[in-house]
Amino acid sequence: QKEVEQNSGPLSVPEGAIASLNCTYSDRGSQSFFWYRQYSGKSPELIMSIYSNGDKEDGRFTAQLNKASQYVSLLIRDSQPSDSATYLCAGNQNQAGTALIFGKGTTLSVSS
Amino acid sequence: DAGVIQSPRHEVTEMGQEVTLRCKPISGHNSLFWYRQTMMRGLELLIYFNNNVPIDDSGMPEDRFSAKMPNASFSTLKIQPSEPRDSAVYFCASTSNGNEKLFFGSGTQLSVL
Repeated sequence: QKEVEQNSGPLSVPEGAIASLNCTYSDRGSQSFFWYRQYSGKSPELIMSIYSNGDKEDGRFTAQLNKASQYVSLLIRDSQPSDSATYLCAGNQNQAGTALIFGKGTTLSVSS
Repeated sequence: DAGVIQSPRHEVTEMGQEVTLRCKPISGHNSLFWYRQTMMRGLELLIYFNNNVPIDDSGMPEDRFSAKMPNASFSTLKIQPSEPRDSAVYFCASTSNGNEKLFFGSGTQLSVL
């Protein structure tokens, strides 16, 4: 069973701090990884994708991938109350990468 | 672009009744996915279609669940008979072939009493 594991949280950080969200996966064949953000009562939306080992930065967000350790992370710098949401880590299930397997998500709460 | 359209938004039914959820993917997208989300199990893949053909239905929990995609612009997920443990939010998502960014619909909140 291919799995993506996340700490459910909640993760609480003060406004302006760095939030660190972590994810591990069991399928060594996984090639692509994604972070989706889901506000309460809404559908998930893609915020970051990463395919290669190392870091990928997009604004206040940095995704990190370590395939040897089967580990993916998301850093949110200068956290804002509007970042409060559930963050879902996802990896592709097969080589075509068209069926994502999601973790259960980590709930982030940013206090002002 | 209207995005992925799901209907109904909310469905309340009694145990044993048939439930049909509907999805219209984004025009031009040829991959369609049905996911179910609960607090306990998170977001689970039920089935996905590529070019209207079911590719993997291993996530469908049991024979009470069935899904069809008769054409590129419409898919249904049917539960017959429904049970209280089927209560969840059901999401439909679509993407273009080779594009791994999923576009999700607003979901259907299903409550089976």
